[in-house]
Amino acid sequence: EAQLVDSGGGLVKPGGSLRLSCAASGFTFSKITMNWVRQAPGLGLEWVASISSGGFVYYKDSVKGRFTISRDNANNSLYLQMNSLSAEDTAVYYCARVRWEAQAAAGNPLFDWWGQGTLVTVSS
Amino acid sequence: DIQMTQSPSTLSAFVGDRITITCRASQSINTWLAWFQQKPGKAPKLLIYKASTLDSGVPLRFSGSGSGTEFTLTISSLQSDDFATYYCQQYTNYYPTFGQGTKVEIK
Repeated sequence: EAQLVDSGGGLVKPGGSLRLSCAASGFTFSKITMNWVRQAPGLGLEWVASISSGGFVYYKDSVKGRFTISRDNANNSLYLQMNSLSAEDTAVYYCARVRWEAQAAAGNPLFDWWGQGTLVTVSS
Repeated sequence: DIQMTQSPSTLSAFVGDRITITCRASQSINTWLAWFQQKPGKAPKLLIYKASTLDSGVPLRFSGSGSGTEFTLTISSLQSDDFATYYCQQYTNYYPTFGQGTKVEIK
């Protein structure tokens, strides 16, 4: 069974940086598009970034230039480097995998398995 | 971005009730729509994809329908385990978006 374990969250001051990690197991990580999705306290879900098996990356406009998604296939790990953080970035961050890589590559990424989330709080 | 609008935002119902949640897309998404269930403090769980295909292990009381811009999630007989927040999500392109959620509460 697939497992995704998110980590790296914490309290950071406005303008600061944080690096999130997602450890994957139970599936062939290197062949799967991975994503970060966030959820501000009491609010809905918001897709943040995606990285394909081939390394293509996509970002939500509001994080472009500040966040960087990356992966280490040798260690089955996904990362999100977050810089220039603001209060609006406060959220639980989830990693999520897509089910079918071919479909994801065609622009139809179905999220079928999620990590437990890690809380990022941006506050002075 | 494609905007997804769910209604209602909150729904109060009894165990055994039939309930329907609606999701509208700001432009056609064919049937590239998924429904997720989320309980407090937990990650979302995939229920339905391709608008009407039940994911493995999801009870048959859940069903989805629709295409284009209008979609529905129906629970035929609400069980106590179903009280949660439900989200629709379009995945018609590389920039997926979610509805704002529908909280299903016990009446």
